[in-house]
Amino acid sequence: DAGITQSPRHKVTETGTPVTLRCHQTENHRYMYWYRQDPGHGLRLIHYSYGVKDTDKGEVSDGYSVSRSKTEDFLLTLESATSSQTSVYFCAISEEGATQYFGPGTRLLVL
Amino acid sequence: AQTVTQSQPEMSVQEAETVTLSCTYDTSENNYYLFWYKQPPSRQMILVIRQEAYKQQNATENRFSVNFQKAAKSFSLKISDSQLGDTAMYFCAFMNTGNQFYFGTGTSLTVIP
Repeated sequence: DAGITQSPRHKVTETGTPVTLRCHQTENHRYMYWYRQDPGHGLRLIHYSYGVKDTDKGEVSDGYSVSRSKTEDFLLTLESATSSQTSVYFCAISEEGATQYFGPGTRLLVL
Repeated sequence: AQTVTQSQPEMSVQEAETVTLSCTYDTSENNYYLFWYKQPPSRQMILVIRQEAYKQQNATENRFSVNFQKAAKSFSLKISDSQLGDTAMYFCAFMNTGNQFYFGTGTSLTVIP
């Protein structure tokens, strides 16, 4: 299995609070991604990174920001969490033209 | 923009039988990659099979094989000799030359003993 960890694995927070999710890889892959998974929608891309400090928006980026200061870490921040951001969040990594591997997911509940 | 469509939200198959999951996609690119991922109740996303668009030969991995029809933009997954452990959500995915991935909405497969 690819070396990808996500933290925390579960989080409950209140509306309006900031939340940061962390993705850590030990594979030295160039690309990192954040997705959210909701029933009926499959996986939708939030943001992705193609190198240190190089990031771009995905399909559902509103309300989310990301940072990548090191190859191995990709942070997803919800500046002010809303109930619509309750979801399961997956991090993924890949190399150029290669298969994408996923982390175990983080279940986030915003009350 | 690329889109991936899985038109079968739910399917079931008897143990040891064969089942085919459908996937179509839309793209104007000529070079790309296609994938099937499996997500069991544990929620871990697991790669099942991968196909490069420039390869005419259909990919196979043990009991899993694909029928890749590039002109029709179709990429179906066939599972032979279905096992109880195949019960999962299956996602079709497309990757473009910019390493961006697009996923279908998934097909929930149940293998019946």
